Amino acid sequence: DIQMTQSPSSLSASVGDRVTITCRASQGISNYLAWFQQKAGKAPKSLIYAASSLQSGVPSKFSGSGSGTDFALTISSLQPEDFATYYCQQYYSFPLTFGGGTKVEIK
Amino acid sequence: QITLKESGPTLVKPTQTLTLTCTFSGFSLSTSGVGVGWIRQPPGKALEWLALIYWDDDKRYSPSLKSRLTITKDTSKNQVVLTMTNMDPVDTATYYCAHSLAADYWGQGTLVTVSS
Repeated sequence: DIQMTQSPSSLSASVGDRVTITCRASQGISNYLAWFQQKAGKAPKSLIYAASSLQSGVPSKFSGSGSGTDFALTISSLQPEDFATYYCQQYYSFPLTFGGGTKVEIK
Repeated sequence: QITLKESGPTLVKPTQTLTLTCTFSGFSLSTSGVGVGWIRQPPGKALEWLALIYWDDDKRYSPSLKSRLTITKDTSKNQVVLTMTNMDPVDTATYYCAHSLAADYWGQGTLVTVSS
């Protein structure tokens, strides 16, 4: 199985901050990586697919980068609605695997 | 637009079999390349991928749960069914179905509690 390691597991940030979350795969996954946002009590929402492609309707303040084993999700200017937990997922090979999540909290 | 919705029991007893149905719209599971998967999330924990079925009936399972899972599809009803046998309290979770490998669309989820 491919292990997905996210860091940090949590972070505190202020409105307007630029935030970067990283995700590392235990082996190369090309660009078969997705990012999700999950708010409390809600289903995950797809933000990014193919490592850097923005899902339709997702604001451009979200961006993804990386290929191979190292990936990042960046929020350019954090807004109150962005406080949530973020997950990465590889879909390069089965079993599909998720990172442990990064909780973004208000400082 | 693509929508998915999970349905099934909210409470099951230990050792029972869980059957969940994902009813979807906005796409067809007879279209080449399309797949529907199941993911779960225990309370306060991370997401865990369970299974996926493709348009051609190819099925993939989580190795750790493979012996307990069965995924099937009914293309005419736009439904995917997941069964999980021998339920245990540790299987208490919100169960989601999602469209495609990259899970671009998710259902709202259904909380299943395993308790006697």
